[in-house]
Amino acid sequence: DVKVTQSSRYLVKRTGEKVFLECVQDMDHENMFWYRQDPGLGLRLIYFSYDVKMKEKGDIPEGYSVSREKKERFSLILESASTNQTSMYLCASSSRSGVDEQFFGPGTRLTVL
Amino acid sequence: QKEVEQNSGPLSVPEGAIASLNCTYSDRGSQSFFWYRQYSGKSPELIMFIYSNGDKEDGRFTAQLNKASQYVSLLIRDSQPSDSATYLCAVGGYSGAGSYQLTFGKGTKLSVIP
Repeated sequence: DVKVTQSSRYLVKRTGEKVFLECVQDMDHENMFWYRQDPGLGLRLIYFSYDVKMKEKGDIPEGYSVSREKKERFSLILESASTNQTSMYLCASSSRSGVDEQFFGPGTRLTVL
Repeated sequence: QKEVEQNSGPLSVPEGAIASLNCTYSDRGSQSFFWYRQYSGKSPELIMFIYSNGDKEDGRFTAQLNKASQYVSLLIRDSQPSDSATYLCAVGGYSGAGSYQLTFGKGTKLSVIP
């Protein structure tokens, strides 16, 4: 059974804190993605990675960075959290074939106070 | 910027009826098409994918694709209250940088009334 896990389901942080969100997949997938989902705005791609140490900006990368040191793990970093980064963060992975579906993790609900 | 448009709803149908969800997309080069279901507070889960023009059936679900019209739909037959969720249309294609990505619509909220 395919599985994508995220480090936390709920997270509360203070403005200005550095925040790490971690995602792990056990499907040996090459591609991994970070999205945020907000009411009325849908799913928006922040960053994705198509190989270890490789990354590409999505539609809304400002204020975020990512790290992929191992194939199964993809981290999203908020360098200095702000209240407008309060959101649901979803990690996904897919195989290199590209046309395949993306499998989603359970999501992290981040609140920045 | 690639766009995927869905009617936000809510779409309300009585139990046992057919629910019809629609999606249009802007990129003619799109190659793969997906329907995800998302329950409130949960992450999206895939229910159907389609790559070729025509219909694809899986149980109570039928996906329809018309690439000439840039249109994809999902029909849910014999709708059940458990089908009440937000349905996301996702369209796959290559970005300008050559990597494959999905572009998601904002979703249609479906309510099945018992």
